[in-house]
Amino acid sequence: AQSVTQLGSHVSVSEGALVLLRCNYSSSVPPYLFWYVQYPNQGLQLLLKYTSAATLVKGINGFEAEFKKSETSFHLTKPSAHMSDAAEYFCAVSDPGGTSYGKLTFGQGTILTVHP
Amino acid sequence: NAGVTQTPKFQVLKTGQSMTLQCAQDMNHEYMSWYRQDPGMGLRLIHYSVGAGITDQGEVPNGYNVSRSTTEDFPLRLLSAAPSQTSVYFCASSYGEPGWGNIQYFGAGTRLSVL
Repeated sequence: AQSVTQLGSHVSVSEGALVLLRCNYSSSVPPYLFWYVQYPNQGLQLLLKYTSAATLVKGINGFEAEFKKSETSFHLTKPSAHMSDAAEYFCAVSDPGGTSYGKLTFGQGTILTVHP
Repeated sequence: NAGVTQTPKFQVLKTGQSMTLQCAQDMNHEYMSWYRQDPGMGLRLIHYSVGAGITDQGEVPNGYNVSRSTTEDFPLRLLSAAPSQTSVYFCASSYGEPGWGNIQYFGAGTRLSVL
């Protein structure tokens, strides 16, 4: 079965600092990978997705993620944090060729705090 | 454009009560799903539907029922509420299966407490 692990339930950075949120997946075949963001009291919103095209994926709000098959990782980065980036971030994975195709498995979430 | 609308936003139930969480979308999406969100566990899929009249179970279906009589509506029914069902519930919709890369749109959620 698919699984995804987000390292660090809480990450705190200063405004202007690099944001790095970690995500590792377990899959026997290259999966499709996603990052979602959830602002307080709102639903989730798709940030970016990897679907077997370019390994470096650019998303909204200056975020990007790189698919590294050798490390089974899909870490989310942003060069310079902004106060408005404070939110909870979820990594999600699907196995396009598996029995649960079309469904997403979500990680536990990482709460990002940005200090002035 | 309303997107995905969930009602109510908040609900408190007593153990054993039943209720229906409403979800409606106005984007003509075929695929709809219900998730529950619990601290430290991310989102878990309860039920999903690939079109009107077609539903299936997700990862945590026990204690919940769904039906899909129209493309727009996908209500979630709690048959006999239990404290373990205290959670935040999200409805989502997309043109196709989200795992294939189709963008999934989420409602704002329903916060449910079962006493």
